[in-house]
Amino acid sequence: DAKTTQPPSMDCAEGRAANLPCNHSTISGNEYVYWYRQIHSQGPQYIIHGLKNNETNEMASLIITEDRKSSTLILPHATLRDTAVYYCIVRVLGNTGKLIFGQGTTLQVKP
Amino acid sequence: DGGITQSPKYLFRKEGQNVTLSCEQNLNHDAMYWYRQDPGQGLRLIYYSQIVNDFQKGDIAEGYSVSREKKESFPLTVTSAQKNPTAFYLCASSIYPSGRTQETQYFGPGTRLLVL
Repeated sequence: DAKTTQPPSMDCAEGRAANLPCNHSTISGNEYVYWYRQIHSQGPQYIIHGLKNNETNEMASLIITEDRKSSTLILPHATLRDTAVYYCIVRVLGNTGKLIFGQGTTLQVKP
Repeated sequence: DGGITQSPKYLFRKEGQNVTLSCEQNLNHDAMYWYRQDPGQGLRLIYYSQIVNDFQKGDIAEGYSVSREKKESFPLTVTSAQKNPTAFYLCASSIYPSGRTQETQYFGPGTRLLVL
C-alpha cells in the first residue's frame, strides 16, 4: 500500500477553513484516498474518500491533484469540535481491507 | 439506532489472565475488524473476518484470538500470551468483504485495556 506523508500538526482559527495536506507520491492507479479523524479517546470517524475526482459531502471537501500524488482535505468552517487527529490513508481495491494509519495531523482549532 | 458497540469502555487485566472484548454491530455488515492503537501511534490490524465462521490473522495476531459465530458479533480474546496488552482496542465493520468493491470501514468507540 502506498505511503502517505502529513504534517504532524496544524492550527486553525475557529470559523476559518482548515486545509490539511497529504502527500502520496507512490499512489497507484487503483488506490483510493481516504480521510478519517480521531477525537481523543474515541474511535476513528470516516470523513470522505475519492479516487481522482474532487469530492464533497456534508463534512468536508477532498481535492486530489491531477497527477494524484497529493490531496487536501478542506473543512470549510472549522469549529472547536473539529480539533482531532486527521489521518490520510490510501487503499488498494482487493487488499485485505485493512487500513494503514500513519501518524496523522493533529489539528488544533483555536477560538 | 444503528452502529457499532464495544464493551466495556475500560478493562483491567491481571497478569496471566485472559480477557474478552466485545464488539457488536447492527448495520448488517459482512466484514469486521479488530485494530490495536498504542499511544501516539496509528492503528494496527489484529484480526479480520469477511464472513461468518471465517477469520484471518492481521499484522499482529500473536497473543490474540477471535470467533465469528454470528454476523453481528466479533469478540476478541486477549490471552496471557500477549505480553504487552495495554492499548486502545478498536473494532470496525464494513458492508462488503474487501476485494469486491471499495467499502468504507466504520469504527466503534473502543475499549481501553490496562494491565494491573
